[in-house]
Amino acid sequence: EAGVAQSPRYKIIEKRQSVAFWCNPISGHATLYWYQQILGQGPKLLIQFQNNGVVDDSQLPKDRFSAERLKGVDSTLKIQPAKLEDSAVYLCATTPGQGPYGYTFGSGTRLTVV
Amino acid sequence: GDSVTQMEGPVTLSEEAFLTINCTYTATGYPSLFWYVQYPGEGLQLLLKATKADDKGSNKGFEATYRKETTSFHLEKGSVQVSDSAVYFCALRENDYKLSFGAGTTVTVRA
Repeated sequence: EAGVAQSPRYKIIEKRQSVAFWCNPISGHATLYWYQQILGQGPKLLIQFQNNGVVDDSQLPKDRFSAERLKGVDSTLKIQPAKLEDSAVYLCATTPGQGPYGYTFGSGTRLTVV
Repeated sequence: GDSVTQMEGPVTLSEEAFLTINCTYTATGYPSLFWYVQYPGEGLQLLLKATKADDKGSNKGFEATYRKETTSFHLEKGSVQVSDSAVYFCALRENDYKLSFGAGTTVTVRA
């Protein structure tokens, strides 16, 4: 089966610019997660979707980050305006639903803010 | 809240050496425990898991045992290869099914 697709793979922007990342989950996977992985740290959960609804966005910096999952399939994560400390790899992961399922991770988008 | 603490790296070994990466956790309930691996340029992959106390997860020659009494899940491999060079993450998942990760340990194996 196809994996979790993310794009772009790399992005370099200047601070205060905006950027968007895209995630296409495995077909039928209802639960989608966005993680932020700063260099030298483990991934940190930003937001969790169940179909097109938000389950948990308590760690999302809502003053600059936003995410949506229209139609419960693809998801986009946006940063506006970007700060230097947003430089990280943004990972998308999906599971069939909320339960003891294994996560499937995408390859991530590496963002560099200069 | 839940947290995972891993031994700090980087770790550099020679081929066929023994590898141990320590992992301890803090959780309110009875979490499932995982080791994920991230090879250069690739995404996170599940290496092994254990869902209850005294379970042993194993895969690709790696093993880890869920020790409730010491709240630990140390990763071991008896003879590493160059292809094992990667970043290893310990993680836990409680009843909300969300993964919490440790900081990662970079392992480099020299030929």
